[in-house]
Amino acid sequence: NAGVTQTPKFQVLKTGQSMTLQCAQDMNHEYMSWYRQDPGMGLRLIHYSVGAGITDQGEVPNGYNVSRSTTEDFPLRLLSAAPSQTSVYFCASTSGGLQGATNEKLFFGSGTQLSVL
Amino acid sequence: AQSVTQLDSHVSVSEGTPVLLRCNYSSSYSPSLFWYVQHPNKGLQLLLKYTSAATLVKGINGFEAEFKKSETSFHLTKPSAHMSDAAEYFCVVRTNAGKSTFGDGTTLTVKP
Repeated sequence: NAGVTQTPKFQVLKTGQSMTLQCAQDMNHEYMSWYRQDPGMGLRLIHYSVGAGITDQGEVPNGYNVSRSTTEDFPLRLLSAAPSQTSVYFCASTSGGLQGATNEKLFFGSGTQLSVL
Repeated sequence: AQSVTQLDSHVSVSEGTPVLLRCNYSSSYSPSLFWYVQHPNKGLQLLLKYTSAATLVKGINGFEAEFKKSETSFHLTKPSAHMSDAAEYFCVVRTNAGKSTFGDGTTLTVKP
């Protein structure tokens, strides 16, 4: 099993550019989420989805858009990149969404190191 | 609302001595609690989880954690630290809304 596949691993953008971070999982997980990790601040939830067609905002959603057209894919879009979005981004999935079990672990992608100049 | 507080941003121990990483949580629901470890330039790995079964949970690599509802704590311990334990550790709370909240992390340093 591939698990959670996250691309690209590294990206450098100029301020104002747009890009999409890709995330795909092959475990038929209902729940997918995006986090950003900054030094000393743990992982902060950007957006999450409890199933295809359903998305919601997390703790730090501003500047990011998401969509969930299929169970497998959950892309994160930066419409106009800013230096404050320089971070490491992790996609995660788990079974058990809004109506399901809460005791399953998160499966993480390998992360994307994003630098915005 | 739910939150997680890791009480120490840095912990330094000598190899062979006990490890204690402290975590307090708050949640409106009965939560599931997790500890993850992140080694430098690596992804996150699950150490252990508490899901309302036994309050003392054993995980991988000799780690364990005890859920204390009265203290709203879920501290991570290991009897004897190894050099390979040096990493960042995250306490996580998850509720039945499906959202996971991470603590700010504790950096564990192990001295030879």
